[in-house]
Amino acid sequence: RKEVEQDPGPFNVPEGATVAFNCTYSNSASQSFFWYRQDCRKEPKLLMSVYSSGNEDGRFTAQLNRASQYISLLIRDSKLSDSATYLCVVGYSSASKIIFGSGTRLSIRP
Amino acid sequence: DTEVTQTPKHLVMGMTNKKSLKCEQHMGHRAMYWYKQKAKKPPELMFVYSYEKLSINESVPSRFSPECPNSSLLNLHLHALQPEDSALYLCASSQLTTGNTIYFGEGSWLTVV
Repeated sequence: RKEVEQDPGPFNVPEGATVAFNCTYSNSASQSFFWYRQDCRKEPKLLMSVYSSGNEDGRFTAQLNRASQYISLLIRDSKLSDSATYLCVVGYSSASKIIFGSGTRLSIRP
Repeated sequence: DTEVTQTPKHLVMGMTNKKSLKCEQHMGHRAMYWYKQKAKKPPELMFVYSYEKLSINESVPSRFSPECPNSSLLNLHLHALQPEDSALYLCASSQLTTGNTIYFGEGSWLTVV
């Protein structure tokens, strides 16, 4: 089983739709959680950190469920510019490692 | 704009060549990373340096040799690579190795012929 798993998609949704991604992680010792966005042939860029209490940044909401070991990302009122690959990232302090999920491809259509 | 700078952006090398990838950051971060990314795959961790010391080597073949000359610089020396080593090589840095955001450079596109 992979340490961090995501639905690879692709998700193809119309502009204005709400879309949600989930990510599961296997190591209960995980301590830090992030969503990164990666555009084609570009480097990954931080979208948002994920906190136990949940956090929101504009149209984006991230949630962490430690009991079930999953992280979610919700995008509301999706824009064409949201088309990208979204990477779930988990950090393990004991091993000083940062692990990426396989990424979920999102395509927003007009 | 990224504050992690990588050079060169593109590199084509033969299997007998020796080349180096370079990475620089001036954010005062004490952890630096090398990742390898193949097309349509997530970045795979190769090496982690913490306080200029190698802390993680993810069983990377010895034809890849990292070097951290100081807290701002990270190199990846390449020798006798194989065509399957062609990929995007990403350098990253963070304040510490845990719990902190990782910032990536734009990457070096490597082609081995």
